[in-house]
Amino acid sequence: SQQGEEDPQALSIQEGENATMNCSYKTSINNLQWYRQNSGRGLVHLILIRSNEREKHSGRLRVTLDTSKKSSSLLITASRAADTASYFCATDKNAGNMLTFGGGTRLMVKP
Amino acid sequence: DAGVIQSPRHEVTEMGQEVTLRCKPISGHDYLFWYRQTMMRGLELLIYFNNNVPIDDSGMPEDRFSAKMPNASFSTLKIQPSEPRDSAVYFCASNPIGGGEQFFGPGTRLTVL
Repeated sequence: SQQGEEDPQALSIQEGENATMNCSYKTSINNLQWYRQNSGRGLVHLILIRSNEREKHSGRLRVTLDTSKKSSSLLITASRAADTASYFCATDKNAGNMLTFGGGTRLMVKP
Repeated sequence: DAGVIQSPRHEVTEMGQEVTLRCKPISGHDYLFWYRQTMMRGLELLIYFNNNVPIDDSGMPEDRFSAKMPNASFSTLKIQPSEPRDSAVYFCASNPIGGGEQFFGPGTRLTVL
């Protein structure tokens, strides 16, 4: 079963707009990671947020984590057509290596 | 570094045939993972190795699936006999330490007819 569930499943926006994707999970975690997957390619790591962190930034990416609600969000600001991809959250329960992936959000950024 | 290398990139085979997927992790990475991705089930962890030793294979669907890591630079995932429901994209990933970012290969798209 999937630990993380992304919402929405699909998102279509115009270039320049912000994109927000949400992830909910079921059990306590050590860290949560976000990955991007372009069509026909492997996953690429974007950002990792630990359970004792609430917010993290990396370039145009902003990730928040609310452990009380067991949820995280990924915000992509000033989106570009090149951001078109699927985005997955993955949870690591005990700082080991057992990542559990959600179903992903398919983002389309229209030029 | 070339990243995680997988071969073949595409494999089409007939039901009942043996399939072997190959992976070369990033040099120096002690952990190697095999995942399967399908539309129905998403991305699932099949098995992972630490220092060439299988640590958790609870995700391996059934006895038809086996994985080996004879040395630090090579791993195989074998399906024997293959079935149409095994059709999926199989990813290999590696990372240098416990926890943290995983580095994914480009995947092998398997089609079993």
